[in-house]
Amino acid sequence: AQSVTQLDSHVSVSEGTPVLLRCNYSSSYSPSLFWYVQHPNKGLQLLLKYTSAATLVKGINGFEAEFKKSETSFHLTKPSAHMSDAAEYFCVVTFSTGANNLFFGTGTRLTVIP
Amino acid sequence: ETGVTQTPRHLVMGMTNKKSLKCEQHLGHNAMYWYKQSAKKPLELMFVYNFKEQTENNSVPSRFSPECPNSSHLFLHLHTLQPEDSALYLCASSQFGQSSYNEQFFGPGTRLTVL
Repeated sequence: AQSVTQLDSHVSVSEGTPVLLRCNYSSSYSPSLFWYVQHPNKGLQLLLKYTSAATLVKGINGFEAEFKKSETSFHLTKPSAHMSDAAEYFCVVTFSTGANNLFFGTGTRLTVIP
Repeated sequence: ETGVTQTPRHLVMGMTNKKSLKCEQHLGHNAMYWYKQSAKKPLELMFVYNFKEQTENNSVPSRFSPECPNSSHLFLHLHTLQPEDSALYLCASSQFGQSSYNEQFFGPGTRLTVL
């Protein structure tokens, strides 16, 4: 069965310190993976995506994620948190091209402390 | 307008009212989606339309009725809703096809409150 797990429902960091949001998936197939961000009362915005090219993916706002097949992980990182990064982050997986089904994680709320 | 737009942004309705949510995408995509986002729950896929045809209905109650008149517009008709239907309703679109990875683009959502 295919699934995606976000290991932390809430992460709190100080401004200027690194951010790590964890995501693991399970699948029998090669996945495509996405990270979306949702600011309060807004829709979801795509941060970055992995589609079987380079395993280290760079996204917007200084975020990046590394696909590790051996660990079935796709963790999101940023070297230095900014106050504007405070939001909900969703790890999303799809397991085949030409299919509509995305699998959403339950989300990680990132709080940035001044 | 660019991207995916949704109207209204906020809606308050009584349980006996009938209302509609509208979504429009300006990206030339051929697939559109309705999602429900409730507090402390994962995002729930409600309906999927590919090339204006409904291809998925995830056991959604009949008080929610989708309509897709063309590939750019998607409606969600609401009637006799319950308070537990209060949520953020998100519309999304994507380019569906064998060579695409189904990256979905989301609208800002409609915050629905049912009294």
